[in-house]
Amino acid sequence: AQKITQTQPGMFVQEKEAVTLDCTYDTSDQSYGLFWYKQPSSGEMIFLIYQGSYDEQNATEGRYSLNFQKARKSANLVISASQLGDSAMYFCAMRDGALSGNTPLVFGKGTRLSVIA
Amino acid sequence: NAGVTQTPKFQVLKTGQSMTLQCAQDMNHEYMSWYRQDPGMGLRLIHYSVGAGITDQGEVPNGYNVSRSTTEDFPLRLLSAAPSQTSVYFCASTHRGGNYGYTFGSGTRLTVV
Repeated sequence: AQKITQTQPGMFVQEKEAVTLDCTYDTSDQSYGLFWYKQPSSGEMIFLIYQGSYDEQNATEGRYSLNFQKARKSANLVISASQLGDSAMYFCAMRDGALSGNTPLVFGKGTRLSVIA
Repeated sequence: NAGVTQTPKFQVLKTGQSMTLQCAQDMNHEYMSWYRQDPGMGLRLIHYSVGAGITDQGEVPNGYNVSRSTTEDFPLRLLSAAPSQTSVYFCASTHRGGNYGYTFGSGTRLTVV
C-alpha cells in the first residue's frame, strides 16, 4: 500500500530565504505521481506542483520546485524567496498507477510553514 | 465559475441524525473523491469514484455511504452521525490519469454533538 511521510510538523523560515519541506513515500508501483498542495488558514486546498515517476527532470512552477530523488523515494518541496503569504499547511500526496488513473490520492499529515518577517 | 461545489459549508448535527453532504463539479471530471481532515491527521480518504456507477472504499469508510449516478454529482451520506465524525470534509475531482491536479471544493465543517 502506498504511504506518504512528512516528518516536519512545523517549520519556520525567514522572509526571502529558501525552505525545503521533506516528503518520503513508499510504493511498489513503478508508475506513480507525486503532488504538493498548500492549505492557507482560509482552508482551501491549492494545487502547487506535480512530478511523475518517469519524469527525468525535477518539476518547477514559479518559486516552487520539487526535488525528486527516486532511489531515495523522496519528493521534497523547495520554496525559493519565501513570502509572508507562503505561511500555510503544506501537504505531500501520491497517486499510484498515475497513468491509469484508477487509484486515489493519498496524503501525508502535512507540514505547517511559518514565514517570519 | 467552473469548479467543485460543496454544500453546506457548515453543519451541526445531533448524534444519531443522518444527512447528506453534496458535491457537484462541472468540469466533466471522471474521478471524484471524499476526504476528511482532522488535526494532525492530514486528509484521509473516505470513498472515491472513477466514473458514474462505480464507487470504492478508502481508508476510513465506516459510517459513510456514497453513490455516483451522474458524472457531475457525488454525495456523501452520514447514516447515523457520531461525535467521531466531527471533521472538515473535502470533495475533490480530477480527470483520470496523468498529471492532473485534483480540484478541491471549499469544504464542509461538520460538528456532531
